[in-house]
Amino acid sequence: AAGVIQSPRHLIKEKRETATLKCYPIPRHDTVYWYQQGPGQDPQFLISFYEKMQSDKGSIPDRFSAQQFSDYHSELNMSSLELGDSALYFCASSLGPGTSTEAFFGQGTRLTVV
Amino acid sequence: SQQGEEDPQALSIQEGENATMNCSYKTSINNLQWYRQNSGRGLVHLILIRSNEREKHSGRLRVTLDTSKKSSSLLITASRAADTASYFCATGLDYKLSFGAGTTVTVRA
Repeated sequence: AAGVIQSPRHLIKEKRETATLKCYPIPRHDTVYWYQQGPGQDPQFLISFYEKMQSDKGSIPDRFSAQQFSDYHSELNMSSLELGDSALYFCASSLGPGTSTEAFFGQGTRLTVV
Repeated sequence: SQQGEEDPQALSIQEGENATMNCSYKTSINNLQWYRQNSGRGLVHLILIRSNEREKHSGRLRVTLDTSKKSSSLLITASRAADTASYFCATGLDYKLSFGAGTTVTVRA
């Protein structure tokens, strides 16, 4: 069965650079979530989209933005990167609306800011 | 964590024993979902229990939900070395899934 696909799997950026993370949800899933997970921490909710509209927002820095496109894939754009942005970034998708069904996660993008 | 506490924070058991972990949350929920995560890897969905359900089973997993106490438990029976992982509960409400702090389970062979 198709799963959530994230790219790239690993990314190394320098401080103040920009990064773009991509997420391809499970086919027919209309809700996408983004999470940030630091070492030894639980996943922190960043933002979610339903039917290409932002549906909820968590602790997402102003330097980050995200959108969901017409084909339901989503991109997380991160600018002016800081060392503290180094983390695992997960995308999840569900057949919505929202959390009415199981949310399945991708393998994550490991971002290292140096 | 964004949502509540899990206890214990860490659990070490012998292969074949049962493992029980608890999750408490603070807000109303549509459902509660449990996930497993091996070190540095992705979150694997285990089971979803809806707010109007009290107990659910899936293979060696048993989940209970007590909405009056805002708590849930995950029982893994007859544990195996491959069950070694971190386990997270996540509460679903509208368009947000909020995670607890997780329980790290080590199963000794």
